[in-house]
Amino acid sequence: QKEVEQDPGPLSVPEGAIVSLNCTYSNSAFQYFMWYRQYSRKGPELLMYTYSSGNKEDGRFTAQVDKSSKYISLFIRDSQPSDSATYLCAMSERGSTLGRLYFGRGTQLTVWP
Amino acid sequence: DVKVTQSSRYLVKRTGEKVFLECVQDMDHENMFWYRQDPGLGLRLIYFSYDVKMKEKGDIPEGYSVSREKKERFSLILESASTNQTSMYLCASSFIQGGYTFGSGTRLTVV
Repeated sequence: QKEVEQDPGPLSVPEGAIVSLNCTYSNSAFQYFMWYRQYSRKGPELLMYTYSSGNKEDGRFTAQVDKSSKYISLFIRDSQPSDSATYLCAMSERGSTLGRLYFGRGTQLTVWP
Repeated sequence: DVKVTQSSRYLVKRTGEKVFLECVQDMDHENMFWYRQDPGLGLRLIYFSYDVKMKEKGDIPEGYSVSREKKERFSLILESASTNQTSMYLCASSFIQGGYTFGSGTRLTVV
């Protein structure tokens, strides 16, 4: 079993929809949680960064972490065609001096006009 | 704007060739990483480095080596390229416990 599980989709929604992307994990030492967005033929870019449990909001994006359930989510409100990309969750351990990230396999999202 | 620069976007190499992929970062990051990305398999860590001349094997180091002679530069070497090394290669750098900054990737085809 991989340490980080993510449904690869694909997920296809109409413009304006609320999108929910999720990951589960097994390592209770994970404390830092991230979401990356990757457009086709590009490198991933950091979208959201959270520490421990709770919510973080940035514009149309909200990241949630539920450490008790080992479950993280990314919500996209009022989705736009420009949000069409692959979204990868990532996480790292508390106290890791190397800062190595463990990635999900990514969810491919298409937002159609 | 902080950057991780990979020297080539696309490369085509022949089986058996020695291949060098170069990565340079301008953020004074301690940590640098090399991943390959394949459909259905996600990102897989090949090697990483936490300091000059230091390197650690990732999850799939076989067939690869790395070099970090300067803090800003991390090179991935395919000793004898094979067709199963055809992939997208991504370099990243980070501070300790920071998010990664990725390069744009090198799409390598081995024929």
